[in-house]
Amino acid sequence: GQNIDQPTEMTATEGAIVQINCTYQTSGFNGLFWYQQHAGEAPTFLSYNVLDGLEEKGRFSSFLSRSKGYSYLLLKELQMKDSASYLCAVTDSNYQLIWGAGTKLIIKP
Amino acid sequence: GAVVSQHPSRVICKSGTSVKIECRSLDFQATTMFWYRQFPKKSLMLMATSNEGSKATYEQGVEKDKFLINHASLTLSTLTVTSAHPEDSSFYICSAREGQGDYNEQFFGPGTRLTVL
Repeated sequence: GQNIDQPTEMTATEGAIVQINCTYQTSGFNGLFWYQQHAGEAPTFLSYNVLDGLEEKGRFSSFLSRSKGYSYLLLKELQMKDSASYLCAVTDSNYQLIWGAGTKLIIKP
Repeated sequence: GAVVSQHPSRVICKSGTSVKIECRSLDFQATTMFWYRQFPKKSLMLMATSNEGSKATYEQGVEKDKFLINHASLTLSTLTVTSAHPEDSSFYICSAREGQGDYNEQFFGPGTRLTVL
C-alpha cells in the first residue's frame, strides 16, 4: 500500500530551528511537496523536490533522498506565525498526490 | 502564483437540502481539478479527481450519487452535496492543476466550510 509517515506534533522555540521528517512508501515517485496549513485555511505551497538534495528557499529548506524514501523540511529562525500544520505529499506513478497526516508545529516564545 | 477561488467560503444549510460549491481557476486553465474534504485536526482526504469534459473519478468509499462533480470547463468545477446530512459537515477544499507530468503543482482554493444542521 501507499504510506506517508510524519510526526503528529512537534514543539519548538521562537528563533530556533526545527526539522520535520517525512518517510514514504509509494507506487512510483514523481516528486514530493511540502505544504503549510494554518487552522481553518487551505494548504499553501512551500516546496517541491524531485531530485536528491537540498532546496533552500529563505528560512525554509527541503531535503530529499529518493533511495531512502525520506524527506525533511527545515525551518530556521522560527517565528510565531510558523505555528501551523506541515503536510508532506508525494506524487506517485499515476501523478496522484498521496498525503501525509500532517505535523502540527507549535512555536513557544 | 496561480489563483484558485472557491465559493461560498461558508454555508449553513438544513438537513436534506443540496449545496453547490464552485471552484474556479482564475488565471490558468486547469486540466485537472481535485476535491478534498478535511475533518478537524485531520489531513486532507481526496474525494475525487475530475478532468475537463469527462466524468470524475471517485475515491473508494465516496458516494458519487451524493457528491456530484461537474467539470464543465477548463476553469470551473462544481461539487454538489445532495441531500446533505449533519455528518457531511466538513471543510471542503478544491485544487487545480494545469498539466500532468514533470512539475505540476496543485493550487488550492481557500476552502468551503459546510455546516449541516
